[in-house]
Amino acid sequence: DADVTQTPRNRITKTGKRIMLECSQTKGHDRMYWYRQDPGLGLQLIYYSFDVKDINKGEISDGYSVSRQAQAKFSLSLESAIPNQTALYFCATSTVTGANTGELFFGEGSRLTVL
Amino acid sequence: AQSVTQPDIHITVSEGASLELRCNYSYGATPYLFWYVQSPGQGLQLLLKYFSGDTLVQGIKGFEAEFKRSQSSFNLRKPSVHWSDAAEYFCAVDWSGGYNKLIFGAGTRLAVHP
Repeated sequence: DADVTQTPRNRITKTGKRIMLECSQTKGHDRMYWYRQDPGLGLQLIYYSFDVKDINKGEISDGYSVSRQAQAKFSLSLESAIPNQTALYFCATSTVTGANTGELFFGEGSRLTVL
Repeated sequence: AQSVTQPDIHITVSEGASLELRCNYSYGATPYLFWYVQSPGQGLQLLLKYFSGDTLVQGIKGFEAEFKRSQSSFNLRKPSVHWSDAAEYFCAVDWSGGYNKLIFGAGTRLAVHP
């Protein structure tokens, strides 16, 4: 099983609908992130969280919100989806201890299409 | 503003040929540097990272990268490319002093001809 699991993997929705993308991890990491990937733009940071009580905006947080329900769960919400939010969304985790310090571990992505 | 530039959007090489993917970054302070690879339909996987010390870094799958402070560059290299290396490659930079807030380049898509 994947260490970082995203659901759904694919979603098609209509403009104005509320959408939630969920992420869960079994890596035991404190830090979790949501990134958005658009062709030709790389990945852009939407929100990040260093623990359950710590939520921070990234580069492109407008139109998005997040919830850190537990150490292992971090969800991304689009309150009213619009077509330019069509993208591939990635959840990632990281730790500040051990050999993997600084490395992001990514889920397989959630492809969202807003019509 | 902090930025990461990957000048080559697409690169095509023949199997067995050498490869170099370029990455340049802005800003003066020496950041943490990373290369990730994304295979089709997959998430990103770390190839290698540089925090300090030896400027030539070895990674997985036979890749290496060299940090050149004077050129603000962190180019990725492989001496002999395999067909399975076809993927998209992302350079990423962390200026946040360990907060893991990575800024990614736009990516370079690598195609490998037999």
